[in-house]
Amino acid sequence: SQQGEEDPQALSIQEGENATMNCSYKTSINNLQWYRQNSGRGLVHLILIRSNEREKHSGRLRVTLDTSKKSSSLLITASRAADTASYFCATDASDDMRFGAGTRLTVKP
Amino acid sequence: EAGVAQSPRYKIIEKRQSVAFWCNPISGHATLYWYQQILGQGPKLLIQFQNNGVVDDSQLPKDRFSAERLKGVDSTLKIQPAKLEDSAVYLCASSLVGPGRDIQYFGAGTRLSVL
Repeated sequence: SQQGEEDPQALSIQEGENATMNCSYKTSINNLQWYRQNSGRGLVHLILIRSNEREKHSGRLRVTLDTSKKSSSLLITASRAADTASYFCATDASDDMRFGAGTRLTVKP
Repeated sequence: EAGVAQSPRYKIIEKRQSVAFWCNPISGHATLYWYQQILGQGPKLLIQFQNNGVVDDSQLPKDRFSAERLKGVDSTLKIQPAKLEDSAVYLCASSLVGPGRDIQYFGAGTRLSVL
């Protein structure tokens, strides 16, 4: 069964705009990871945030984690056409990682 | 560093036929995973190996799916016999340690079409 659920399912924005995706989960976690998947390719790791962290940055990516609400958000600033992909959150619970269904992001040039 | 290698990239078979997928993880990675990703969904873990032992195969349909990891390196996933609902992308991933505590590196996947 899937642990994380991403919201929205699909997001379409113009190049240069910011994109925000959310992830909610059900059980306590040790950490949460975000992955990107371009069409027809495997997943690529973006960022890992531990349960005792609240915010993490990596380049144009900003991830927040609110363990009290069991939710996380991924913000991509100044989006580019190359950011067009599906984004998945993955949570671990007892050494068992689960992926959500993903958010399909389209960035129009 | 070489990534996770998978073959074949595409496979088309008829239902009730057998099929096998191969995965070569990143050198030195102890943990290997097989995922099934149906179109429009996230990856679903089928089986996880730690070295050459099975850690989790709770979501593997064992009546038709089997997997092995020889000598703790390469792995094969087999489906016999295939059903229409097995049409999906099969992803292999590896990590240095274990899930959640470590980053998973994914191969490009094998796209299976069952007709």
